[in-house]
Amino acid sequence: KQEVTQIPAALSVPEGENLVLNCSFTDSAIYNLQWFRQDPGKGLTSLLLIQSSQREQTSGRLNASLDKSSGRSTLYIAASQPGDSATYLCAVSNTGNQFYFGTGTSLTVIP
Amino acid sequence: NAGVMQNPRHLVRRRGQEARLRCSPMKGHSHVYWYRQLPEEGLKFMVYLQKENIIDESGMPKERFSAEFPKEGPSILRIQQVVRGDSAAYFCASSPIETIQTQYFGPGTRLLVL
Repeated sequence: KQEVTQIPAALSVPEGENLVLNCSFTDSAIYNLQWFRQDPGKGLTSLLLIQSSQREQTSGRLNASLDKSSGRSTLYIAASQPGDSATYLCAVSNTGNQFYFGTGTSLTVIP
Repeated sequence: NAGVMQNPRHLVRRRGQEARLRCSPMKGHSHVYWYRQLPEEGLKFMVYLQKENIIDESGMPKERFSAEFPKEGPSILRIQQVVRGDSAAYFCASSPIETIQTQYFGPGTRLLVL
């Protein structure tokens, strides 16, 4: 059974810093991996989707990498802003129709 | 194009009552997925439905929980005889095609069982 782990569970950084969030998964036979953002009391917003054949995806200040063989992904956020404060979720899918989610990293960017 | 809509956003029930959670997928989407987020835990898949069919219910508890997605109207997640352990956020997602890479999530329904 696929298990997804995210480290750290919480992170607090001053505004302007670059940061890295980590995600690991136990079954490397994934279909794709997706990073989401969850704001308190809100739904999930998809940030980046990486197909199993890809190694990274970029969107603005965000860059996500994927190393299937080691079962790891990282989300890099450049020049962090207070508006980036949220919980970041990593989710992987195998060939089925469901995501397996990590428990998230709660990010606080201090102005 | 409105996003995935869920209602109610918050629901309070006493133990033993029934909870009915509704999900209206995005326009043109015929695939719906339900996930549950227990306190301090990650989201966990419950069920995947297409119109009038349950495709995968491997994540659904065996008792008290049921889901449907009728030909007309929203998808319904029904929890009978709720217990305190059912308190959680229930998220619905929809997609336009069979692959899950384009799932769009709703804002969730927060269920509190007293």
